[in-house]
Amino acid sequence: AQSVTQLDSHVSVSEGTPVLLRCNYSSSYSPSLFWYVQHPNKGLQLLLKYTSAATLVKGINGFEAEFKKSETSFHLTKPSAHMSDAAEYFCVVSDLEAAGNKLTFGGGTRVLVKP
Amino acid sequence: GAGVSQSPSNKVTEKGKDVELRCDPISGHTALYWYRQSLGQGLEFLIYFQGNSAPDKSGLPSDRFSAERTGGSVSTLTIQRTQQEDSAVYLCASSSYGGHTEAFFGQGTRLTVV
Repeated sequence: AQSVTQLDSHVSVSEGTPVLLRCNYSSSYSPSLFWYVQHPNKGLQLLLKYTSAATLVKGINGFEAEFKKSETSFHLTKPSAHMSDAAEYFCVVSDLEAAGNKLTFGGGTRVLVKP
Repeated sequence: GAGVSQSPSNKVTEKGKDVELRCDPISGHTALYWYRQSLGQGLEFLIYFQGNSAPDKSGLPSDRFSAERTGGSVSTLTIQRTQQEDSAVYLCASSSYGGHTEAFFGQGTRLTVV
């Protein structure tokens, strides 16, 4: 079975400071991992994905995530937060061998950016 | 089409009525997903299609909920005898089959049961 835990339901940062969103996953095989962002009253947008090619993945809007198999983690970071980063972020796991194409979502982390 | 299309975008229905929500996936995408997002909550998995079959329908909350997919394309989610707790945004997504493929989401249908 696959599962995702986002360790923080809310994160508050000041504009210009680093952002860290933590995600741990459980998967029997070799997972694909994704981060999606949802701005208020908007649809879900893919930020980045891990596909086993490289453990450090760069995404849109200056975000990146590092896959650490030993820690079963896929934390999302950004060096300097912008006001437009205020949104909800979802970590997602997909394991083709274990669960077909089923996507399992974490509970989400809501990011607040203070001026 | 260029993206995942869902209709209607908003639906207000009276308690006890049946509703149908439609999802038109990206052309060629074999996998299709339905999720539900209640106010201030995360995404709740409902059902997943691969082609026309549903390998995993474990997330359907009750037998009032059903979904079908025909021709490997359009999917319909039906809620019978709607209840107020069914009020939520229903999201559809599609992806191509295979590992490491991301899902593309529609804008959702906001269902309000009054």
